[in-house]
Amino acid sequence: ETGVTQTPRHLVMGMTNKKSLKCEQHLGHNAMYWYKQSAKKPLELMFVYSLEERVENNSVPSRFSPECPNSSHLFLHLHTLQPEDSALYLCASSQDGFLTYNEQFFGPGTRLTVL
Amino acid sequence: AQTVTQSQPEMSVQEAETVTLSCTYDTSESDYYLFWYKQPPSRQMILVIRQEAYKQQNATENRFSVNFQKAAKSFSLKISDSQLGDAAMYFCAYRFLGANAGGTSYGKLTFGQGTILTVHP
Repeated sequence: ETGVTQTPRHLVMGMTNKKSLKCEQHLGHNAMYWYKQSAKKPLELMFVYSLEERVENNSVPSRFSPECPNSSHLFLHLHTLQPEDSALYLCASSQDGFLTYNEQFFGPGTRLTVL
Repeated sequence: AQTVTQSQPEMSVQEAETVTLSCTYDTSESDYYLFWYKQPPSRQMILVIRQEAYKQQNATENRFSVNFQKAAKSFSLKISDSQLGDAAMYFCAYRFLGANAGGTSYGKLTFGQGTILTVHP
């Protein structure tokens, strides 16, 4: 595997279910991101982990719970979601550092549908 | 706070023709990067081109070039000799070059709403 991978690619869940999204990066990066992409809206940054420490949480509801066990893996745990949470969830990674380019590499996303 | 605006929800172009996608942004900073990302249908988002704000010369990558107007805070993408494979959603993005709040250095991006580009054969 190369780049950034995400599983599952598609997920349908009920509002009472608990599920997890997984992201893995094979690029040796030290920062990972979760974004939410909804139709006709800009990408919304949800969480950022830098050196396995959460450095940003953009007022995301507690029904979304991130986890970063190491620099290569990032999870997004989901529980009691709402239909408006249906969206494409993108994971990205970059190499952290000041005054550097820090290009973000994106995964293919998980298409989430909440019934 | 920085904002990025793409005023064209959809654009279309004939194959082999040229198309320009618009992007404006608002920031009080002087050092930053600007990016264009491409998201093909059901495929991963990839970086198309980037521009450092301190550089006056417009960036070029093969058939892709930008028109960067720093004073006007404008950053348009020109695609020459359009190909069917160029059909995608295009996002303009901004990144402040300095430290983030709290002194962190990760590359925080602010995205525009996106422009869907259709290429007609």
